Amino acid sequence: SAVISQKPSRDICQRGTSLTIQCQVDSQVTMMFWYRQQPGQSLTLIATANQGSEATYESGFVIDKFPISRPNLTFSTLTVSNMSPEDSSIYLCSVEEQGNEQFFGPGTRLTVL
Amino acid sequence: GQNIDQPTEMTATEGAIVQINCTYQTSGFNGLFWYQQHAGEAPTFLSYNVLDGLEEKGRFSSFLSRSKGYSYLLLKELQMKDSASYLCAVDGNNRKLIWGLGTSLAVNP
Repeated sequence: SAVISQKPSRDICQRGTSLTIQCQVDSQVTMMFWYRQQPGQSLTLIATANQGSEATYESGFVIDKFPISRPNLTFSTLTVSNMSPEDSSIYLCSVEEQGNEQFFGPGTRLTVL
Repeated sequence: GQNIDQPTEMTATEGAIVQINCTYQTSGFNGLFWYQQHAGEAPTFLSYNVLDGLEEKGRFSSFLSRSKGYSYLLLKELQMKDSASYLCAVDGNNRKLIWGLGTSLAVNP
């Protein structure tokens, strides 16, 4: 399976600021996804990161709040903009491989004060 | 609508067998995943069922009945390290996963 890394692994941020999370994959993949997992909850899909075009956002998530870049088939970024304490969560990127299995990066634990 | 149900919590004893059930109602179905997630870590892939029946992989087995909208994950010879959350997810339309809330399994000595 693909090896996925995320940076930063964790961060503590002040409200009103923005944080960009990077996701790097060791092989080219077509489908990359960004999820949020709030404490004690399951995973919520934020958006699908499309290479060469705008990301596809799920209901309740908008580009102004969560801009996403996907410059090539091995890399993507998610920015959490104008943060509030409600954005405190674990943010995960995942990739889809053959057989439709999704594999996850280690996650970024974000705390907003 | 889309709905996936799993028990919230389960407790079992080291060395025993435990079955974690998952029922689903989704508008599309391509397959069903089970993931394991230890506290503070990312989910890790356990199994993917497309066809009805039981698939065995070491101590873990996964069963699917598409007609009943039902799956279970069977864990044998439980070990303390199996204490984790187990997430059921359906591969629905548009290649998006629909996630259950997860079952928190505690394995006691």
